[in-house]
Amino acid sequence: EVQLVESGGGLVQPGGSLKLSCAASGFTFSDHYMDWVRQAPGKGLEWVARVRNKTKRYTTDYAASVKGRFTISRDDSKTSLYLQMNSLKAEDTAVYFCTRYISPGRGFDPWGQGTLVTVSS
Amino acid sequence: DIVMTQTPLSSPVTLGQPASISCRSSQSLVHSDGNTYLSWLQQRPGQPPRLLIYKVSNRFSGVPDRFSGSGAGTDFTLKISRVEAEDVGIYYCTQATQLPLTFGGGTKVEI
Repeated sequence: EVQLVESGGGLVQPGGSLKLSCAASGFTFSDHYMDWVRQAPGKGLEWVARVRNKTKRYTTDYAASVKGRFTISRDDSKTSLYLQMNSLKAEDTAVYFCTRYISPGRGFDPWGQGTLVTVSS
Repeated sequence: DIVMTQTPLSSPVTLGQPASISCRSSQSLVHSDGNTYLSWLQQRPGQPPRLLIYKVSNRFSGVPDRFSGSGAGTDFTLKISRVEAEDVGIYYCTQATQLPLTFGGGTKVEI
């Protein structure tokens, strides 16, 4: 079964840091681009970041709202995806989903259940 | 950034009747490779999103054939031929033609 399981969410103060993890199973993790997408409480979906595969030299891209504060990374040997979040703001409060991008252009599948990050004092 | 606009925001439906959701992009979603990277996602209450349609009109594996996608350029539509109770949720269109990836605001389908 193709599966993604996020962990690492929690309550953090403004200005603090948190690292999210996503464990993948059931597919050849190293072949795929991986993304983080977030959803603020009661709101829609917002793309956060992407890391490409080894063929694309693990290049990364970020949403403007997180660039310079968040770092996406992966460890193909551990079939895991990460999101290091620094200088957190209240507006980063959201459920963070990891998802596989099936290229070329076949969309996002699967999605993890998500992990909640709450930034509050 | 490409802005994705969905209408309606909410769609009351009757079981067994059709439903339709529109999605318009602020610029053409035709990629330089000739493909149009427009997808539709379904998010049931309390669940993560689920891929329904990719590249405008291709149903993803396991998606019932009552779901169909159409459109071109900047205008796209998701149709449910006969709504079932399990179809309740929020539907999002999303584009992957250009970074940053963007999503529509969502359309709530409710009975």
